[in-house]
Amino acid sequence: SQKIEQNSEALNIQEGKTATLTCNYTNYSPAYLQWYRQDPGRGPVFLLLIRENEKEKRKERLKVTFDTTLKQSLFHITASQPADSATYLCARRANDYKLSFGAGTTVTVRA
Amino acid sequence: DVKVTQSSRYLVKRTGEKVFLECVQDMDHENMFWYRQDPGLGLRLIYFSYDVKMKEKGDIPEGYSVSREKKERFSLILESASTNQTSMYLCASDTGGSNQPQHFGDGTRLSIL
Repeated sequence: SQKIEQNSEALNIQEGKTATLTCNYTNYSPAYLQWYRQDPGRGPVFLLLIRENEKEKRKERLKVTFDTTLKQSLFHITASQPADSATYLCARRANDYKLSFGAGTTVTVRA
Repeated sequence: DVKVTQSSRYLVKRTGEKVFLECVQDMDHENMFWYRQDPGLGLRLIYFSYDVKMKEKGDIPEGYSVSREKKERFSLILESASTNQTSMYLCASDTGGSNQPQHFGDGTRLSIL
C-alpha cells in the first residue's frame, strides 16, 4: 500500500525565518502531491499542488519541491509570520478517488 | 468558492445512540468523502461516494454507514455509537481526477459519553 509520512509532528521557528517541512512517500511516485493547511477547529484548506515532472512550485511565500529520486516533497514557508502558524498536511492520490494524507506537521511561528 | 457545510460543529451523544452527521456541498461535485481525524493518526477515510446512491468503504468503515440520496448531500451514520467513535469528523468533496484538490467542511467534533 502507498504510505505518506511527514517526519516532524511539530516545528517551532522565529518570525522571519524559513520553515521547511518534509513529506516522504513509499512505492511508486504519485503523479501529483498536494499540500493543505489546517487551522485549529477547522477543516483543511488546499494550498498547492505539484506535478511529478515539476521540480518546484511557488505561491507567494510558499515553495514546494518534488524529488522523485528521494521520494520526497519539501514545503517551505519563507519570511514566516505568526499568521502562518497552523498544521500543514501533504497528500497523494491513492487511486482515482482516494487521497492519502500524512499526519501533518504543526508549525508555530514566534513573534 | 466551493462550500462544504456540515450540519453541526459540536455534538454530544450517548453510547448506543444512532447518530447522523450531515454534509452538503454546493458545487455539483461527483465525489464526497467522510474522514475522522484523531491526534497522531491524521485523517482516515471512513467512506466515500462517487455518485448518487453509490458508496465505497474507506480504510476504517466498521461501525459506520453512509447515505447519498442526492448529489449534494452525504450523510454519515453511526449505527450504535461507542466511546471510541469520539473524534473530529470531516466531510470533503471533489470533482475527481488526480490533480483535483478536496474541499473540506469545518468538521463536527463528536463526543460519545
